[in-house]
Amino acid sequence: DAGVTQSPTHLIKTRGQQVTLRCSPISGHKSVSWYQQVLGQGPQFIFQYYEKEERGRGNFPDRFSARQFPNYSSELNVNALLLGDSALYLCASSAGTGSYEQYFGPGTRLTVT
Amino acid sequence: GESVGLHLPTLSVQEGDNSIINCAYSNSASDYFIWYKQESGKGPQFIIDIRSNMDKRQGQRVTVLLNKTVKHLSLQIAATQPGDSAVYFCAENPLGGFQKLVFGTGTRLLVSP
Repeated sequence: DAGVTQSPTHLIKTRGQQVTLRCSPISGHKSVSWYQQVLGQGPQFIFQYYEKEERGRGNFPDRFSARQFPNYSSELNVNALLLGDSALYLCASSAGTGSYEQYFGPGTRLTVT
Repeated sequence: GESVGLHLPTLSVQEGDNSIINCAYSNSASDYFIWYKQESGKGPQFIIDIRSNMDKRQGQRVTVLLNKTVKHLSLQIAATQPGDSAVYFCAENPLGGFQKLVFGTGTRLLVSP
């Protein structure tokens, strides 16, 4: 079975631009969460979506938005990119919300110049 | 606030030794804990989880111990192998209603042959 997939693998953008990252969860999983991992640190929670509804939001500015589609795949959008947005963006899927195992994808490495 | 910390940033062991990675958490309301392994350039890999109504759980070569009295979590790896070399994160889910894993900064495990 395929695990969590993310695209693209790497991305280079300039300040002020907008970016869209994509994630496909494990088959049968209805929950997708997004995390930002800055080099040398642990992942930071951005959003959780379950059954196409936002269930949780971390301490990120409104420049960050996301959505989940009927097939449970998800997109993360970041507007007006800043240098500090450079990070590894991770998507995690789980079967439900609450105390369920979360499985991570390989991430998208975003570099903002 | 919520935080998950790690006692040792780097742990060096010899192949075949048992490894113990420790973690302190601050939110007594957390009801679910996970250990992840992250290799360079990859997303976190699920190792083992434990719920707050348990104090010990065993997997293949790994054991997680939870001490709620002192808010301490540990991961024990038996017969450590070079392939176990990676950064290990503990994460807590402080809210039962949705998933918002709070990660620490990680412990790097170095296994020498």
